[in-house]
Order: sequence, then C-alpha cells, then structure tokens
Amino acid sequence: AQKITQTQPGMFVQEKEAVTLDCTYDTSDPSYGLFWYKQPSSGEMIFLIYQGSYDQQNATEGRYSLNFQKARKSANLVISASQLGDSAMYFCAMRVEISHGGSQGNLIFGKGTKLSVKP
Amino acid sequence: EAGVVQSPRYKIIEKKQPVAFWCNPISGHNTLYWYLQNLGQGPELLIRYENEEAVDDSQLPKDRFSAERLKGVDSTLKIQPAELGDSAVYLCASSFAGGTYEQFFGPGTRLTVL
Repeated sequence: AQKITQTQPGMFVQEKEAVTLDCTYDTSDPSYGLFWYKQPSSGEMIFLIYQGSYDQQNATEGRYSLNFQKARKSANLVISASQLGDSAMYFCAMRVEISHGGSQGNLIFGKGTKLSVKP
Repeated sequence: EAGVVQSPRYKIIEKKQPVAFWCNPISGHNTLYWYLQNLGQGPELLIRYENEEAVDDSQLPKDRFSAERLKGVDSTLKIQPAELGDSAVYLCASSFAGGTYEQFFGPGTRLTVL
C-alpha cells in the first residue's frame, strides 16, 4: 500500500535557525513524485517543492530544500533561516504516477507537522 | 491570474440537512479534485475529474455524497443528509490534464454539522 508517514506532530525552531521536517514514504512503484505543501491557519495548501523519483539531485526552492534519500525512502524538508511567517502545518505528499484503477495523478498526504517559529 | 475559488468559506448546518460546496478551478485546468481534510489530518481524495468525467471516485461515500462537473469547469460537491462526522474542511484543487502537473488548492470550505 502507498503511504506517507510524518512522525513529528509538532516542531519548534528559533527564528533564523534551520529546521528539518521528516517524511518517509512507502510505495512499490518505480515512478512517483514527492511534494511538500504548507498550510497556514488560513487553510490554503501552498506548494513548496517537488522531487521526482528519477531526479538525481535534491530539489531546492529558495530557502526550501528536499533531502531525498531513495534507498531509505525518505524525503525530508529543510527550511533554512526560519522566519516567523514559516509557522504553519507542513504536509508531505506522494503522487501516484502509475495508474491503479484510475488513481494516476492522485496525491497521498501524510498527517502533517505543525511548525512553530519562536522569535 | 485568479486561483482556485471555493464558496462558501464556512458553513454551519444541522445534522440531516443537505449542503453543497462550489469550486471554480484555475482557467485552463482540466483536472479537478475534491479532498476531505479532517482536523489534525492530511487531505484525502474524494473524487477526481478529467474534464466532465469522474475518473476516480473510489473514495466518495456514494450513499450521501454526490458531485458534478457540468461543462468541465465549475464543480459542486453535495452531502445529503449531513452527519455529525462530516464536519471537516473540504478542499478543491485543480491542475493541467494528465495528473502529472502540480495541483493548486483553493482555501477550502469549513463545514460544521451540529
């Protein structure tokens, strides 16, 4: 079964420090995509970063980087130089890229990690 | 460019009442998704449309939930009758066709069933 596991319900980080949010995934498909979304209290899911299963290099987007370790099936999000506005829920998600009964393109989400940035 | 629009943002109803949620995707996005997000959980897919066709509705509780996407643009998700356990956030997302593109999410509708 395809599954995303986020083991940290909550994390605290000091402003300007770096923080790593953990994500492990489970799939037997060779092709998949991994995403991180941010969900502030307003409720909207904001796309942060994407890593394809065949990408050789770790994805980076500004202060966000994805530490992709394929053998360990982990896709941790690293936020550098944390800002107060980074306080939010963070969700790791996996995209199904091989159709199983029409599921190609569907996202499977973890339970999320609540990040709190302290001034 | 306008994002995914959802209405209403908040809805409070009595149990056994019907309720409907509306979603207008980003222009040009043929794929539309409805997700259910329970408190403290990640979103779970309810139904996915490619244009007018529901290509994956395997997780939609069809005894009380229904959805439509007439003309392949706007979509409506309905619950009839609502139960206490339906209290949650209902998220709509859209993407370009084919399921290989990033999904853009709307702000969601927070439903409270009393």
